[in-house]
Formats: sequence, structure tokens, C-alpha cells
Amino acid sequence: GQSLEQPSEVTAVEGAIVQINCTYQTSGFYGLSWYQQHDGGAPTFLSYNALDGLEETGRFSSFLSRSDSYGYLLLQELQMKDSASYFCAVSPRGGGATNKLIFGTGTLLAVQP
Amino acid sequence: DVKVTQSSRYLVKRTGEKVFLECVQDMDHENMFWYRQDPGLGLRLIYFSYDVKMKEKGDIPEGYSVSREKKERFSLILESASTNQTSMYLCASSLRGRQGPYEQYFGPGTRLTVT
Repeated sequence: GQSLEQPSEVTAVEGAIVQINCTYQTSGFYGLSWYQQHDGGAPTFLSYNALDGLEETGRFSSFLSRSDSYGYLLLQELQMKDSASYFCAVSPRGGGATNKLIFGTGTLLAVQP
Repeated sequence: DVKVTQSSRYLVKRTGEKVFLECVQDMDHENMFWYRQDPGLGLRLIYFSYDVKMKEKGDIPEGYSVSREKKERFSLILESASTNQTSMYLCASSLRGRQGPYEQYFGPGTRLTVT
């Protein structure tokens, strides 16, 4: 089976750096995705790690370590608008055309002034 | 600009009613998904479709059915609505890539209340 665990809430101050962790138990997957969802809004795709290591996109970076069954999303120079829920997700291998995405339960990030 | 639209933003139905939630995407995506989102439970997959007329059960299909007669449209049907189906329903679409549907585009959601 597959499961992804994230902290339920994280609080940080404006301008700081915050790391949102995602640990998983899965038999095999293609890569790790991250999504952002503002309150009342739709989830939006942020990043994807197909390989181990760090992927950087502006203020956001995402990391994957398959050997440690672990990934994280790093947000730098936090802004108030970064207050949102963040979800990690994996696509299990072997599904072929019937591949799906399994989401973690999400982390609510509160950025304080 | 890519777009996924859902037929209603808010919906109130009575217990026992048959409910139709419609989703349309304009990106020519092969995959379409229906999720429900409840506080503390994240996004749970109800059903998905990887091609016209093709469907697969997700993690919580009980009490739901789906229909995909055209590539751009994916409908979620609650055969007999119950109060425990009160939730936010999110539709998504994606390409059918070799790495799985890792990049999904979501609609704005339908908040369904069953009384």
C-alpha cells in the first residue's frame, strides 16, 4: 500500500525559510509532486521531482531522497501570500494507463507578519 | 490558459436525491479525476477516467458513479445522496504521461451540502 505523511500545521514569519516534510511508504513510484491550495481555492501544481535531489523554481525548492523515503518542499523569503495548504503526492508505478496520484493529508502553512 | 470548469460552485440537495456534478476541461487531456476533500483527510480519489467511456475506481467509490461520454467532460453521479456525502468535490485533468499523472489541473470545486 501507499501512504504519505505530512505535518498538519507549520507556522513561520514573513521573510523566513520553512521546510515542509513528506515521508512515504510505498512500494514504488515515479516521482514526488507538490501542490499548493489557498483557502477556498483549487490545488495548483508547484513542482515535480522525478529524480533524487533538489529542484529549484524561484523561491520554492523541492527535494527527494528515495533511499530515505523522504521529500520536502522548501519555501524561501516567505510572503503572506504563501499562507496555504501544501500537499505532496506520488504516482505509483505499474498502473499503465490507469495511473493515478496519491495525495498526502496536507500541511497548513501560516505565515505571520 | 488551461481551464477546468465545474458546473456549480455551491449545491444543496436533499437526502435521497440523485445528484449530477459536471466537469469540463479544454486541454484535450486523456485523464480526468474526481476527488472529495474533507478537513484533515486531504484529497481522496473517488473515480478516474483515462479515456472516453473508460473508468477506474479510486479509494472511495461507494455511493458514486461516473460517466465519460466525451473526452472533455467527466460527470460524477451520486445515485442517492446521503448526509455523509456533504463535502467539497474537486475535478482534475492531466495528460497521460509516462511518469503518471503528476501534474494535474483542478477545477474550482463544488461544495455540496446534503440535508
